[in-house]
Amino acid sequence: SQTIHQWPATLVQPVGSPLSLECTVEGTSNPNLYWYRQAAGRGLQLLFYSVGIGQISSEVPQNLSASRPQDRQFILSSKKLLLSDSGFYLCAWSIGAGGRTDTQYFGPGTRLTVL
Amino acid sequence: LAKTTQPISMDSYEGQEVNITCSHNNIATNDYITWYQQFPSQGPRFIIQGYKTKVTNEVASLFIPADRKSSTLSLPRVSLSDTAVYYCLVVYNQGGKLIFGQGTELSVKP
Repeated sequence: SQTIHQWPATLVQPVGSPLSLECTVEGTSNPNLYWYRQAAGRGLQLLFYSVGIGQISSEVPQNLSASRPQDRQFILSSKKLLLSDSGFYLCAWSIGAGGRTDTQYFGPGTRLTVL
Repeated sequence: LAKTTQPISMDSYEGQEVNITCSHNNIATNDYITWYQQFPSQGPRFIIQGYKTKVTNEVASLFIPADRKSSTLSLPRVSLSDTAVYYCLVVYNQGGKLIFGQGTELSVKP
């Protein structure tokens, strides 16, 4: 069966520090991968998605970047964190045509607090 | 701009049927509707997906009228453990945008 991992589970970082969040998927090949942010107030915002190694699409302009160095690894990064980067970061995967009718399966999330 | 709309919150009691409606006026021919459940500090969990008419699985039913501009998630005989936020997701074929609604916070009381 497929599983998705995210780490760390929680993170507290000072403003201006770098960030690296990791997501890995097991039990499947060539998944579509997604990064979402959930701020207070519940709404999920799609940040990045990837249909293959090295292929990243950004949904909104921001202080973050994403990379996919391996088929089942997706990394979210920042060079300098802002207070507004605080939130709950969720990674998700799907199999299919790349975000159309695919069912997405979510990881456990990373709670990021920027102070 | 493609958008979904759900009620912000709903209250129910154990044993009742709960219906949560999502509006998606700009849905296109090839788009599907998916519902997720989320507990605090956890990732959303897939509940059900449909295209038209009715879909049923072991936990819920999804009703989609002919014009497909809305959909209704039906939870039969809810329990306290069904207290969660429920999200409607429509995958819009145009532009590949993935749009989550703001979610409906369901509170089930004893």
